[in-house]
Amino acid sequence: KNEVEQSPQNLTAQEGEFITINCSYSVGISALHWLQQHPGGGIVSLFMLSSGKKKHGRLIATINIQEKHSSLHITASHPRDSAVYICAVSNFGNEKLTFGTGTRLTIIP
Amino acid sequence: DTGVSQDPRHKITKRGQNVTFRCDPISEHNRLYWYRQTLGQGPEFLTYFQNEAQLEKSRLLSDRFSAERPKGSFSTLEIQRTEQGDSAMYLCASSFYEEQYFGPGTRLTVT
Repeated sequence: KNEVEQSPQNLTAQEGEFITINCSYSVGISALHWLQQHPGGGIVSLFMLSSGKKKHGRLIATINIQEKHSSLHITASHPRDSAVYICAVSNFGNEKLTFGTGTRLTIIP
Repeated sequence: DTGVSQDPRHKITKRGQNVTFRCDPISEHNRLYWYRQTLGQGPEFLTYFQNEAQLEKSRLLSDRFSAERPKGSFSTLEIQRTEQGDSAMYLCASSFYEEQYFGPGTRLTVT
């Protein structure tokens, strides 16, 4: 079993829909990261959180430390949100990231 | 551009050849990470530097792989005697605290 599990693996939705991507982890962490990867490989950090909830524009990330679960939400989804969204965790001490396999999101106009 | 840069962006090589990749981190970042990503998978940790010291290496990093960060600035990742299984995207990231900033990656194809 991977230390970081994401669901779903693939998600296709219509423009405007509310999107939820889930991440569960099985190890102790110092922070959970949500990252976005566009075709071509570039990875951008969206959120880093260790408790509660963070919001940036139409993106919201939440984490439940007791349940070892995080969700990434996208409100009013748009075709430009189409990308792979990756959950990763970092551990106390060296902050190397352990990644999930990613969720490929496609938003249809 | 003050972000993380990687060179080259693409590399095609024949099996058995040696290749070297370079990563230039954000200048004030003391931590530098190398990750490898194969098609359809999330990245996997390879190695990590704090300043010039290589603090951790993954079991994935066989003795054909070596990484350096002289003077704690740029880093190089060398793969000797490349194999087809080495074909992947090699990603570099740097950080000062926990948030990591990624470069565009070097895509290696071994034929």
